[in-house]
Amino acid sequence: GAVVSQHPSRVICKSGTSVKIECRSLDFQATTMFWYRQFPKQSLMLMATSNEGSKATYEQGVEKDKFLINHASLTLSTLTVTSAHPEDSSFYICSARLRPQANTEAFFGQGTRLTVV
Amino acid sequence: GENVEQHPSTLSVQEGDSAVIKCTYSDSASNYFPWYKQELGKRPQLIIDIRSNVGEKKDQRIAVTLNKTAKHFSLHITETQPEDSAVYFCAASQGNFNKFYFGSGTKLNVKP
Repeated sequence: GAVVSQHPSRVICKSGTSVKIECRSLDFQATTMFWYRQFPKQSLMLMATSNEGSKATYEQGVEKDKFLINHASLTLSTLTVTSAHPEDSSFYICSARLRPQANTEAFFGQGTRLTVV
Repeated sequence: GENVEQHPSTLSVQEGDSAVIKCTYSDSASNYFPWYKQELGKRPQLIIDIRSNVGEKKDQRIAVTLNKTAKHFSLHITETQPEDSAVYFCAASQGNFNKFYFGSGTKLNVKP
């Protein structure tokens, strides 16, 4: 299957600092990527849809000024958690779908465990 | 927006038994329904999917059924094995490139 790579896999940062998470499609071009947040033992909550060359679309309740998304190329989307607080600590995971012509599976990155201290 | 509900939240079965996980969705426009398996600390992996023009799909020990009228779909795992133990998520999606809405997950424990 297609490969989506996410970096870093783990990050610890101090309150008030910003953290950037990268999501790359390694062997395909992804005009659209998705960012999810997962709390322990809970489901994947969609945060936003990242669109190459245009603004991201955020789900209701997600602060776009706090979670900055940039999709500057067909293979890279970044999520920046700005002014991080301990409550932002979570597992963040991205995904991308392969083809526009038909409904296809989403391939997930390996996730990033963010801990804000 | 779409609302996907999943039951049960936990399921414990004996090795060799069958396991069934059920999901319902709210938006009749949803037309693609994947099931993902997530092992602890790992990324979700697709195990089977079904599109709205099909009522049932099977892949070895795994099958998915879809009832569009009732807006529900189910995952069936037969002859369960300990390595089937994981969290399973259902999802619903509309059209190309559209986002997935996930169910709350089912933790399956297969006892040897």
